[in-house]
Amino acid sequence: EVQLSESGGRLVQPGGSLRLSCAASGFSFNIYAMTWVRQAPGKGLEWVSYISAGGDPTKYTDSVKGRFTVSRDNSKNTLYLQMNSLRAEDTAVYYCAKTPGLRIDAFDLWGQGTMVTVSS
Amino acid sequence: SYELTQPPSVSVSPGQTATITCSGDNLENIYISWYQQKSGQSPVLVFYEDNKRPSGIPERFSGSTSGNTATLTIGGTQATDEADYYCQAWDSSTWVFGGGTKLTVL
Repeated sequence: EVQLSESGGRLVQPGGSLRLSCAASGFSFNIYAMTWVRQAPGKGLEWVSYISAGGDPTKYTDSVKGRFTVSRDNSKNTLYLQMNSLRAEDTAVYYCAKTPGLRIDAFDLWGQGTMVTVSS
Repeated sequence: SYELTQPPSVSVSPGQTATITCSGDNLENIYISWYQQKSGQSPVLVFYEDNKRPSGIPERFSGSTSGNTATLTIGGTQATDEADYYCQAWDSSTWVFGGGTKLTVL
């Protein structure tokens, strides 16, 4: 079965760090660019970061630049998001999502999401 | 950065056609993607790249773009189509989502 499964979300204090993981299965993970998208409680979708199939280049939304780092281990079919200096406004469900292939406009497969709560 | 504007809510009667709009600058020169998110679930891609529908998405879902407005059309709307719908664009640098439209099937 083609699927993505996120993990690592939890309650963390402001200023803390967290690493999210996204395990891919059922498709050739190493040939697809991947992204992270988040959704604050009761709010809309917000793109967070992008990583190409080979790991470079990477891109970030302005609000997380310098704090978040996206990476991948193609040998383990796993995508990561290292989150440092966390703020209350980072509280959200974090989804990993796959791009369709030749183009990277859309996200055609999403995980179930993992909840990150930043609070003291 | 790029901005996409959607109406907060749209209502439709069962069996009728629902139209959800997404406005932004120069939309005819970029691809708009559309996602459906049912309550408590992850988003699902329903239409993309002007004319593509992912496997498993009914033909009732279609998209179009004219000028500064992209439209998702749902023909023969069913109760199961009730959800939040998001448009999304890529401006060759970042990915942007519209604010979302809640579709209510009355």
